[in-house]
Amino acid sequence: EVQLLESGGGLVQPGGSLRLSCAASGFTFSSYGMSWVRQAPGKGLEWVSTISRNSGTTYYADSVTGRFTISRDNSESTLFLLMNNLRAEDTAVYYCAKVGSGSCSGGSCPPIDYWGQGTLVTVSS
Amino acid sequence: SYELTQPPSVSASPGQTASITCSGDRLGDKYVSWYQQKPGQSPVLVIYQDRKRPSGIPERFSGSNSGNTATLTISGTQSMDEADYYCQAWDSSTALFGGGTKLTVL
Repeated sequence: EVQLLESGGGLVQPGGSLRLSCAASGFTFSSYGMSWVRQAPGKGLEWVSTISRNSGTTYYADSVTGRFTISRDNSESTLFLLMNNLRAEDTAVYYCAKVGSGSCSGGSCPPIDYWGQGTLVTVSS
Repeated sequence: SYELTQPPSVSASPGQTASITCSGDRLGDKYVSWYQQKPGQSPVLVIYQDRKRPSGIPERFSGSNSGNTATLTISGTQSMDEADYYCQAWDSSTALFGGGTKLTVL
């Protein structure tokens, strides 16, 4: 059974930093791309970032480019999201998500097929 | 920038067919996925590559994509299908979600 367990969320002041982690199990982590998707309170889904299985390719939403960094440790089956210079509008539940079979190519990736339960990030003074 | 547009809400009576649209410029040239999200839960993939159903998704869920519009169709809608539905596609190395459609089963 695929399991994705996020951690690292919490309250942070504007301009601060936070690192989210996602511990994966139930599948061969190194064989799949991974993503982060967020959802502001009462709002829709917003894609944040995707990383290929070997970390060779990363994609970011314009809203986080230059502030967020996605990375992974295949030896530990763990996905990370380093978030710097946080803003109030970054307040959201952040979901760790597994990308389906296949490679990212031509500027697109396979669909997300599993989601974690999410971790809440609140940016407020 | 590319956008995916969904109606904010759709309603259907139990047993009827519900259709949720997702529109975007030449969307038919891209693969579309659909996600179901119930209150307080994480999203679930219900359709990928326009019309394929993941294992465990009921046959009443189907999808199509042509021209500028992708459609998620739920045949024989049940009360358990009441949820928010999001379409998703990739454009120029960016993953996009539609704004979401709340399906109400009356």
